[in-house]
Amino acid sequence: SQQGEEDPQALSIQEGENATMNCSYKTSINNLQWYRQNSGRGLVHLILIRSNEREKHSGRLRVTLDTSKKSSSLLITASRAADTASYFCATRDNAGNMLTFGGGTRLMVKP
Amino acid sequence: ETGVTQTPRHLVMGMTNKKSLKCEQHLGHNAMYWYKQSAKKPLELMFVYNFKEQTENNSVPSRFSPECPNSSHLFLHLHTLQPEDSALYLCASSPDNGGTYGYTFGSGTRLTVV
Repeated sequence: SQQGEEDPQALSIQEGENATMNCSYKTSINNLQWYRQNSGRGLVHLILIRSNEREKHSGRLRVTLDTSKKSSSLLITASRAADTASYFCATRDNAGNMLTFGGGTRLMVKP
Repeated sequence: ETGVTQTPRHLVMGMTNKKSLKCEQHLGHNAMYWYKQSAKKPLELMFVYNFKEQTENNSVPSRFSPECPNSSHLFLHLHTLQPEDSALYLCASSPDNGGTYGYTFGSGTRLTVV
């Protein structure tokens, strides 16, 4: 069953703007991960945040985690056309189950 | 290249054909996975192998048959598929099967069943 759900399903912004995507999940987690997928390609791991962490940065990416609200957000600052892709969150729960992926947010960055 | 190689990239097969998808990684990872990605659906986990042993079969129909001869290679054997099996099939690997680390994905095989 689907654990994470991304919001919005689609997002269109201009180059240089910031993009924020959200992920909500249902059960308690060990960690939450964000992935990017370019059209028709495999997923690329972006960042992993553990349940005892609240914020993580990687280059232009900033991920926050709020375990009380069972939600996470991915912020891409100063977006570029090359950031156009689908972004997925995935969670590993505390029962030791495999990573479960959400339906993704399709981001389009217009030059 | 991510370190996980999938072949072929594209495959068109008839419903009576038998074909195989191949996945190879030389990252030293011990866990390998098959996922199915259909349009407008979340990624569906199909099979998990850890140290060559199958640890999860997510209620996948028997027309899909996985094989893991060693920790570096994973196959998905296909026979008598249905048109609804058309999808992007993704292979992934990770150091362990617990989801403690990120997964490394291949580029996928785009399968069309006619």
